[in-house]
Amino acid sequence: GAVVSQHPSWVICKSGTSVKIECRSLDFQATTMFWYRQFPKQSLMLMATSNEGSKATYEQGVEKDKFLINHASLTLSTLTVTSAHPEDSSFYICSAAGTSGGETQYFGPGTRLLVL
Amino acid sequence: AQSVTQLDSQVPVFEEAPVELRCNYSSSVSVYLFWYVQYPNQGLQLLLKYLSGSTLVKGINGFEAEFNKSQTSFHLRKPSVHISDTAEYFCAVSVGARQLTFGSGTQLTVLP
Repeated sequence: GAVVSQHPSWVICKSGTSVKIECRSLDFQATTMFWYRQFPKQSLMLMATSNEGSKATYEQGVEKDKFLINHASLTLSTLTVTSAHPEDSSFYICSAAGTSGGETQYFGPGTRLLVL
Repeated sequence: AQSVTQLDSQVPVFEEAPVELRCNYSSSVSVYLFWYVQYPNQGLQLLLKYLSGSTLVKGINGFEAEFNKSQTSFHLRKPSVHISDTAEYFCAVSVGARQLTFGSGTQLTVLP
């Protein structure tokens, strides 16, 4: 149980384009989803927290207009990197916390973004 | 605010030897504690967690951790490691539900 998927697992795009990453909780309802960014050999950096049906809360220093987060249902959240640039290249990981046992986050497999 | 310190960035150990990965935290309130494992190019997998109750917590893959409130520690142990345990291990804390604060990670490398 508590499986989270992400799609795509890999994406390469040209500078200036937008990329959408999906995060789904497959076997539970996620009232809260989190988006992290991870640089090589480093820990996870929380970008934003999203609750179903409401606006995401962004961490300090994260541009909300660049990283658009939507949490339209209890099983799906999306992260859109708008006008991507090479410095946005990174490993993006989502996690989800359910309606019961909400203190535990379950992580997706991650999405590797490379902007050329 | 909470903080997590993983004292060792890299831990090499021979196969079938015991291992301990150290984690200390700082918080002015009670916390939940977690250990996650990350294999290369993958997301994080929950190894074990401490929410309340018994301070000795058993997780998957033969790992266990002990919550020590007086020392504010939550060290991860395994009595006999395998090559397949080679991965990055993250300790994390949260206050109540939701937001996690991660340590910097410990790379465990199991040598044949």
